[in-house]
Amino acid sequence: DSGVTQTPKHLITATGQRVTLRCSPRSGDLSVYWYQQSLDQGLQFLIQYYNGEERAKGNILERFSAQQFPDLHSELNLSSLELGDSALYFCASSESRGTNQPQHFGDGTRLSIL
Amino acid sequence: GNSVTQMEGPVTLSEEAFLTINCTYTATGYPSLFWYVQYPGEGLQLLLKATKADDKGSNKGFEATYRKETTSFHLEKGSVQVSDSAVYFCALSDARIQGAQKLVFGQGTRLTINP
Repeated sequence: DSGVTQTPKHLITATGQRVTLRCSPRSGDLSVYWYQQSLDQGLQFLIQYYNGEERAKGNILERFSAQQFPDLHSELNLSSLELGDSALYFCASSESRGTNQPQHFGDGTRLSIL
Repeated sequence: GNSVTQMEGPVTLSEEAFLTINCTYTATGYPSLFWYVQYPGEGLQLLLKATKADDKGSNKGFEATYRKETTSFHLEKGSVQVSDSAVYFCALSDARIQGAQKLVFGQGTRLTINP
């Protein structure tokens, strides 16, 4: 058990809809990261938050947004969903911002777009 | 940009065989290097890491050495078990933006160990 909790485990929805994925980091971790895992793109970094502030952006679409709340949990919002958004979305957390800090991953949310 | 290349899988071995999964990277600066493992239906678990050249990371019988001269971080294990069957990801920490860290992953190598 990594200590990172993601909900829900599975989401099935239709094109054009909007969903929210939730992540609770390990106790004491201030950084939260979001990754997308798909068969064609592999594991791609989306975005990082540190103590409520956005720190880095990767290949995140404009239809996607995220935030980190004062209690350090984070939400990833995906809107105007397309078939290609079907993927496994992982949240990870680390203690600080340092490059040597390992990231601890949750079990992911599997999003299926019908 | 920074990138990681892993040997293509799938890799199938017999129990007690020697394992090598190749990983090479392209990066500016001196990134930290990681191996993560993903068991079916689970998230990624950190297997080992190395933070500077010539560092050797090790865990659960797995080892990898940070080779700056060959830009490599190959994963090895002397005697694999059925329970090692999983997908293995090599990754580097890209921290070109101060205070930010993102992991750049290889494509993953699926390992199957037969009894």
